[in-house]
Amino acid sequence: GAGVSQSPRYKVTKRGQDVALRCDPISGHVSLYWYRQALGQGPEFLTYFNYEAQQDKSGLPNDRFSAERPEGSISTLTIQRTEQRDSAMYRCASSRSGYTEAFFGQGTRLTVV
Amino acid sequence: AQSVAQPEDQVNVAEGNPLTVKCTYSVSGNPYLFWYVQYPNRGLQFLLKYITGDNLVKGSYGFEAEFNKSQTSFHLKKPSALVSDSALYFCAFFYGQNFVFGPGTRLSVLP
Repeated sequence: GAGVSQSPRYKVTKRGQDVALRCDPISGHVSLYWYRQALGQGPEFLTYFNYEAQQDKSGLPNDRFSAERPEGSISTLTIQRTEQRDSAMYRCASSRSGYTEAFFGQGTRLTVV
Repeated sequence: AQSVAQPEDQVNVAEGNPLTVKCTYSVSGNPYLFWYVQYPNRGLQFLLKYITGDNLVKGSYGFEAEFNKSQTSFHLKKPSALVSDSALYFCAFFYGQNFVFGPGTRLSVLP
């Protein structure tokens, strides 16, 4: 596609439910990143994929968070047993490779009630 | 520890005046530095990057940035600000396997 696509754009879920956030990167981009951004603050790193391999998940807050990119393209970030503190904007980005600029999607605004 | 600082939360400038948004970094080795802009309710947009070479790099929308190794700075500049430049600006570096972002500076260009 022309840009990084994320879905849904908005997600409201009840505490304790599982959610899955989807990211469709720019075609051909090898690197894929997930970030979380609080309002008015800089994005915080969650996890990184090189092709289908999850090479860094050091930013995932706890074991309720997981991510996959099984075919080296679309990625899913899953949050199990959501809590109110998980409410944030979740952003996906892709790049041709490491050290090159990353292109961000519009993000998914997650609200846990 | 690797980090990037943006010392000003807010920068106000009159339209037509030059603008500077400051960024300093602490990175071991050669830094790969970036500037991104975020408009309201939009994703982050890439503006420019420094990898190697000329210390003055030019980017989108008339922005440029100067890499200063001795001062460990990478300030964003524009000769003549536009009201439409009002947005949130993030400095970042690439380290290890991810981008590390600064806290952001809100730029307001006043007509």
